[in-house]
Amino acid sequence: DVKVTQSSRYLVKRTGEKVFLECVQDMDHENMFWYRQDPGLGLRLIYFSYDVKMKEKGDIPEGYSVSREKKERFSLILESASTNQTSMYLCASSLGLAGLTDTQYFGPGTRLTVL
Amino acid sequence: DAKTTQPTSMDCAEGRAANLPCNHSTISGNEYVYWYRQIHSQGPQYIIHGLKNNETNEMASLIITEDRKSSTLILPHATLRDTAVYYCIVRPANQAGTALIFGKGTTLSVSS
Repeated sequence: DVKVTQSSRYLVKRTGEKVFLECVQDMDHENMFWYRQDPGLGLRLIYFSYDVKMKEKGDIPEGYSVSREKKERFSLILESASTNQTSMYLCASSLGLAGLTDTQYFGPGTRLTVL
Repeated sequence: DAKTTQPTSMDCAEGRAANLPCNHSTISGNEYVYWYRQIHSQGPQYIIHGLKNNETNEMASLIITEDRKSSTLILPHATLRDTAVYYCIVRPANQAGTALIFGKGTTLSVSS
């Protein structure tokens, strides 16, 4: 079974703090994703990575950065947390074979509250 | 991606089969039907996907009509732990690296 783990289930930070969210997958997947999920807004893609050290901006990258130094690990960084970044953060991974279906598997989520 | 339509909510008695419908009348030939579910405050869970043949795995069965304009997800023996929001998504094969787009889904309530 694919396993995607996230470093924390719940996190409380203060405005202005630097926040690191980590995601690890154990299936040698090429692609990894960071989403946020908010009531009424659904899933929104923040960043996507298709290989080590490679990244692409999603729909809402402002205020976030990412790091992928190893294939299995994808980190989301909030450089200076703000209250509007209070949300559920979801990491996902997928195999990434061109031309085939690309099922995304999600981690359990991190509920971040910024005070 | 093609649009999907699902009922807002459904109820099911524990132990009975839960049949969740999805309409995707504008589906294209290279688009797959995916089902995910999300239990409250957890990450979405992949259930099953298919192109045109019916599919079955340890979690569920997926029945796709011959014209591919609709499908049904079947949970053969629903349990209380199957209470969740179920999302039907239509997605082309070559969209690796693009965001999943969940609609409003169907809230399935399983009761004893």
